[in-house]
Amino acid sequence: QKEVEQNSGPLSVPEGAIASLNCTYSDRVSQSFFWYRQYSGKSPELIMSIYSNGDKEDGRFTAQLNKASQYVSLLIRDSQPSDSATYLCAVNGLNSNSGYALNFGKGTSLLVTP
Amino acid sequence: DTGVSQDPRHKITKRGQNVTFRCDPISEHNRLYWYRQTLGQGPEFLTYFQNEAQLEKSRLLSDRFSAERPKGSFSTLEIQRTEQGDSAMYLCASSLARGSEQFFGPGTRLTVL
Repeated sequence: QKEVEQNSGPLSVPEGAIASLNCTYSDRVSQSFFWYRQYSGKSPELIMSIYSNGDKEDGRFTAQLNKASQYVSLLIRDSQPSDSATYLCAVNGLNSNSGYALNFGKGTSLLVTP
Repeated sequence: DTGVSQDPRHKITKRGQNVTFRCDPISEHNRLYWYRQTLGQGPEFLTYFQNEAQLEKSRLLSDRFSAERPKGSFSTLEIQRTEQGDSAMYLCASSLARGSEQFFGPGTRLTVL
């Protein structure tokens, strides 16, 4: 069973702080990694994708990937109350016939307090 | 709006009834995915289409579930003889290429009484 693990939280950070979200995965051949944000009752919204080792920055968001450690993280700088949501880590489910269906973690709940 | 659309957004049905959901992907995306999400869980993969061909099905997709994408555009997911355990959010996603970003529709929330 290929697994994606996330701390369920809740992770509480004060407004303006950096939120750090972590994810580990078990399938060493995974190649594509994604972070989705999901507000309560809504569908997942893609916020970051990363495909190679290192950091990728997009506005207040930075994704970090370490394939050797099978670890991917998301940093949110200058956290805002509107960032309060569940953050889902997703990893491609690679096999020979796969369209790269995504394997998701259970998500980490983030609460940004004013 | 050129995003993924799904219809209906909510469906309440009685146990044993059949239901059908529709998904319209982003127009240039030839890859379409169905997922199911229950409370407190991440989405779980159900099935995948490349154009009109259904290329992958999860073990989660029992014989009561069937999906089609007849002309390689919209897709339907039918659940026959619904059970209370089928209550979930059914999500559709589309992507442009293998391994690329998947964009989700708003989902169809199914409640089976």
